[in-house]
Amino acid sequence: DVKVTQSSRYLVKRTGEKVFLECVQDMDHENMFWYRQDPGLGLRLIYFSYDVKMKEKGDIPEGYSVSREKKERFSLILESASTNQTSMYLCASSSPRNTEAFFGQGTRLTVV
Amino acid sequence: RKEVEQDPGPFNVPEGATVAFNCTYSNSASQSFFWYRQDCRKEPKLLMSVYSSGNEDGRFTAQLNRASQYISLLIRDSKLSDSATYLCVAHSGNTPLVFGKGTRLSVIA
Repeated sequence: DVKVTQSSRYLVKRTGEKVFLECVQDMDHENMFWYRQDPGLGLRLIYFSYDVKMKEKGDIPEGYSVSREKKERFSLILESASTNQTSMYLCASSSPRNTEAFFGQGTRLTVV
Repeated sequence: RKEVEQDPGPFNVPEGATVAFNCTYSNSASQSFFWYRQDCRKEPKLLMSVYSSGNEDGRFTAQLNRASQYISLLIRDSKLSDSATYLCVAHSGNTPLVFGKGTRLSVIA
């Protein structure tokens, strides 16, 4: 059974903290993505990566960075968390040969 | 900005009803299309791909109209378990999937 695993389901952090969201996939997928999902705004792409050590900005990269040191792992970093980054964060992976995206279970982050 | 537009709903329908959702896409270069389903507080999952000739999977039928740049999803004989948000997706080349904001469906007993 294919799997994308995010490190936490729920996270509460303080304003100004550095936050790491981890995502691991076991499908040997080249492509990995980070989205955030907010009511009324849908899924918005933050960053994506098509290969190890490669990253591309999505539609809303401000306030975020990413790391892809290994093919199976894609980390999202909030350098200095702010309350407007309270959201549901979803990681996804896909293969270039099959565009179906598989999502992790999501991390609901609250910044207080 | 290449976008996918959907009616957010909610669509409230009785069990057994037939319901249809439409979705429009702005990027004429889009080549692949999908419907994803997302249950409350869960991640999106692929429901079905949308082929040029249209395709059917049980009670679900997907259609593509390239000339008008829209795709549709028809659900027949709605079940309570069909209640979810349905996300329309367009894809072009080796670029990330573009998701619509979703259409919420509530099937009522």
